Amino acid sequence: EVQLVESGGGLVQPGGSLRLSCAVSGFAFSSYGMSWVRQAPGKGLEWVSSISDSGDRTYYADSVKGRLTISRDNSKNTLYLQMNGLRVEDTAVYYCAQGGGIYGSGSFQHWGQGTLVTVYS
Amino acid sequence: HSALTQPASVSGSLGQSITISCTGTSSDVGSYILVSWYQQHPGKAPKLIIYEGNKRPSGVSNRFSASKSANTASLTISGLQAEDEADYYCCSYAGTRTFVVFGGGTNLAVL
Repeated sequence: EVQLVESGGGLVQPGGSLRLSCAVSGFAFSSYGMSWVRQAPGKGLEWVSSISDSGDRTYYADSVKGRLTISRDNSKNTLYLQMNGLRVEDTAVYYCAQGGGIYGSGSFQHWGQGTLVTVYS
Repeated sequence: HSALTQPASVSGSLGQSITISCTGTSSDVGSYILVSWYQQHPGKAPKLIIYEGNKRPSGVSNRFSASKSANTASLTISGLQAEDEADYYCCSYAGTRTFVVFGGGTNLAVL
């Protein structure tokens, strides 16, 4: 069974930092590109970032470029999102997803349950 | 402002069919086969229901189908059931610069 379990969300003030993690099981993690997608309260889905299977290629939405950094540790089957310089508008549920963009047949094939990040002033 | 345009809401009666449109541009939907659709129930994570334009993942009902014409993709749900009531999102690959774009989502009400 495929499982993606996010952790690391919480409350933070503007300008603060958080590191999200996504522990993966049930598929060959090192063979898949991975992504983060977020959803602000009551709003739609927004793609945040994607990373290649080996981690050598990364992609970011303009809204997060320079502040959020995606990475992965294939030895630990874990995806990360380092979030620096957080803004109120970054408040959202952050989902880890398998695939996305040119990965996974261009689709987000499996999703985690999400972790809530709240940036409050 | 979402990159792909979807109607905010649609409705249909039990047993009927509905279609949700997703309009993009020649830089995303119009140029790539990598269009996908997601179903999201309240408080739940999204679920992939269509990928590569018109393919269904294993386990997804054949009542869900999709197509594309020029810059517009469409999702059709036939034989509406109560459990189809959810939000639906389209998504497209948009090249190496923009990478991924989502639609704003469509709320489906089953009457």
